[in-house]
Amino acid sequence: EAGVAQSPRYKIIEKRQSVAFWCNPISGHATLYWYQQILGQGPKLLIQFQNNGVVDDSQLPKDRFSAERLKGVDSTLKIQPAKLEDSAVYLCASSLGQVNEQFFGPGTRLTVL
Amino acid sequence: GEDVEQSLFLSVREGDSSVINCTYTDSSSTYLYWYKQEPGAGLQLLTYIFSNMDMKQDQRLTVLLNKKDKHLSLRIADTQTGDSAIYFCAEEKAGNMLTFGGGTRLMVKP
Repeated sequence: EAGVAQSPRYKIIEKRQSVAFWCNPISGHATLYWYQQILGQGPKLLIQFQNNGVVDDSQLPKDRFSAERLKGVDSTLKIQPAKLEDSAVYLCASSLGQVNEQFFGPGTRLTVL
Repeated sequence: GEDVEQSLFLSVREGDSSVINCTYTDSSSTYLYWYKQEPGAGLQLLTYIFSNMDMKQDQRLTVLLNKKDKHLSLRIADTQTGDSAIYFCAEEKAGNMLTFGGGTRLMVKP
């Protein structure tokens, strides 16, 4: 069974530029999550989708971050414009079932200069 | 501050037992989890415990839950060098959302 795929693996941009990350969850997983993991910290949930609907985006900085999952499968997370403090690893996860076993992708490491 | 707290670092010798501790805040959490993160990789679920249980054992892993004190621990028996990683505990809140601790870096010396 293929795992959660993310691309790119690494991205370096300058502040005020835009960037987008892509996630393909495990086939059949209805729930998709985006997390931000700053160096030395645990992952922080940014947004949770159930199929193509948003369940929770209370911690998403909506002035600069946006995410979509139009067909209920793949998802993109965008930052526009980026700030220095956005430097982090962006993790995508998906889950299926009552016990919330979330399967994580390898992440995209973003460096904002 | 973090809702879920962990010590930053633990060092053990190969073959010894490791105990990683965690405190959480939400008494209504239904499940509590332990995840492992190796360098450059995403998180991998190790084990979980339902909130009405005190203990769960899974091969070399033992999870203890003290709900009164909101304290969770993970014991790894016969720790191996391959167990070196960062370990995160997480509590599940309403809506199946996880809140992670800051992680404990486990270093296993040969």
